[in-house]
Amino acid sequence: TQLLEQSPQFLSIQEGENLTVYCNSSSVFSSLQWYRQEPGEGPVLLVTVVTGGEVKKLKRLTFQFGDARKDSSLHITAAQPGDTGLYLCAGATGTASKLTFGTGTRLQVTL
Amino acid sequence: NAGVTQTPKFQVLKTGQSMTLQCAQDMNHNSMYWYRQDPGMGLRLIYYSASEGTTDKGEVPNGYNVSRLNKREFSLRLESAAPSQTSVYFCASATPNTGELFFGEGSRLTVL
Repeated sequence: TQLLEQSPQFLSIQEGENLTVYCNSSSVFSSLQWYRQEPGEGPVLLVTVVTGGEVKKLKRLTFQFGDARKDSSLHITAAQPGDTGLYLCAGATGTASKLTFGTGTRLQVTL
Repeated sequence: NAGVTQTPKFQVLKTGQSMTLQCAQDMNHNSMYWYRQDPGMGLRLIYYSASEGTTDKGEVPNGYNVSRLNKREFSLRLESAAPSQTSVYFCASATPNTGELFFGEGSRLTVL
C-alpha cells in the first residue's frame, strides 16, 4: 500500500498569515490532486498536477509537484477564514482509476 | 445539479445488523467508488467500479459487498455490521482521463 503523508496534521493561524502544507511519499505518482473538504461535505477538487516540477496557481493558492513526482506542496498566501477546512492530497499511479489519499491537514483560519 | 447523491445521510446500527448505502450519479461517469473516512487516516478505498458490470476490491474491502446496478447507481452493503465499521462513507464518481473525483455528501454510520 502506497503511503502519502501530510504535514502538518493541524494548523491554526490568523487571517493574513501565509502557510505551506506538505504531501510526501516514497512512491512515484503519475499525477497528484489536491482536495478541500468542509465539515459535513465531501471533498472538492482544487487542482491536478501532472508534470514533475509543475507549479499551478489558483488565486492565493500555489501548488507544486516535486521534480521526482513523489511529493507536493500547497502554499496559501494571506489566508482567509474561508480557507478553513481539511486539505487532502491524492496520488494516482498508472491510470487515475485508483487514488491514494493522504492523511489530511486540518486548517483553521481565525480573524 | 445533483451530482452524486448518497442515502441515507445518517444511520445507527446494532452489531450484526445489515444495511445498504445507496449512491447515484447523474454525470454519466463510468467509474464509481466507495471510500471510508476515519480520523487521522484520510480516505481509504473500499471498492470501485470502472464501468457498469465490473467491480474491484480496494484497500479495505473486508466486511463489504457492492453492486453496480447500472451506470448511475453503485451500492455498498454491510452484511453483518461491526463497531469497526463506524465511519463516514463517501461515494464518488470520476471523469474519464483526468480522474477527477466528484463526491457525495457522505453517510455517517455508527455501529453500536
